[in-house]
Amino acid sequence: RKEVEQDPGPFNVPEGATVAFNCTYSNSASQSFFWYRQDCRKEPKLLMSVYSSGNEDGRFTAQLNRASQYISLLIRDSKLSDSATYLCVVNLPGRRALTFGSGTRLQVQP
Amino acid sequence: GAGVSQTPSNKVTEKGKYVELRCDPISGHTALYWYRQSLGQGPEFLIYFQGTGAADDSGLPNDRFFAVRPEGSVSTLKIQRTERGDSAVYLCASSPHGGSYEQYFGPGTRLTVT
Repeated sequence: RKEVEQDPGPFNVPEGATVAFNCTYSNSASQSFFWYRQDCRKEPKLLMSVYSSGNEDGRFTAQLNRASQYISLLIRDSKLSDSATYLCVVNLPGRRALTFGSGTRLQVQP
Repeated sequence: GAGVSQTPSNKVTEKGKYVELRCDPISGHTALYWYRQSLGQGPEFLIYFQGTGAADDSGLPNDRFFAVRPEGSVSTLKIQRTERGDSAVYLCASSPHGGSYEQYFGPGTRLTVT
């Protein structure tokens, strides 16, 4: 079983739509959680950290459910520029390295 | 300011050859990471340096892979006797210190082994 699992998509949505991605992680002792964004043939960039209380950054909302070991990302009012791969990322206990999911591809269409 | 830089951006080599990939982290960042990303997958951890020392090399797939960071800044990932399965994008990331989990990635080196 992979340590971080994501639906690969693609999610094809019209501009203005709301879209949600989920990811599950296997190690219940995982400590930190993130969403990274990766554009085609570019490097990953931090989108937002994910906190137990949930957090919001503009159109983006991230939530963590420790009991069920899943993380979600909600994007409201999708823009064409949101088209990218969204990587769910976990920091395992005692490790500095990040553990990445395979990513979920989002394509926002005009 | 300058981000993480990696050279070369692309490298094509023949099976069995030796390659070196270079990473120049953000100035002042003490933590440096190497990851490898295959098509359709997320980055996979290889090795982590804190300063000059390799603090975690558990992700190196075998002894053909080696990395150094002799002066605590620039790092070189070295791959001996390359195999076709080594073809991937090799990403380097740095962070201000080992306790900071935000990692800043370079553009990567696309390695193709023919």
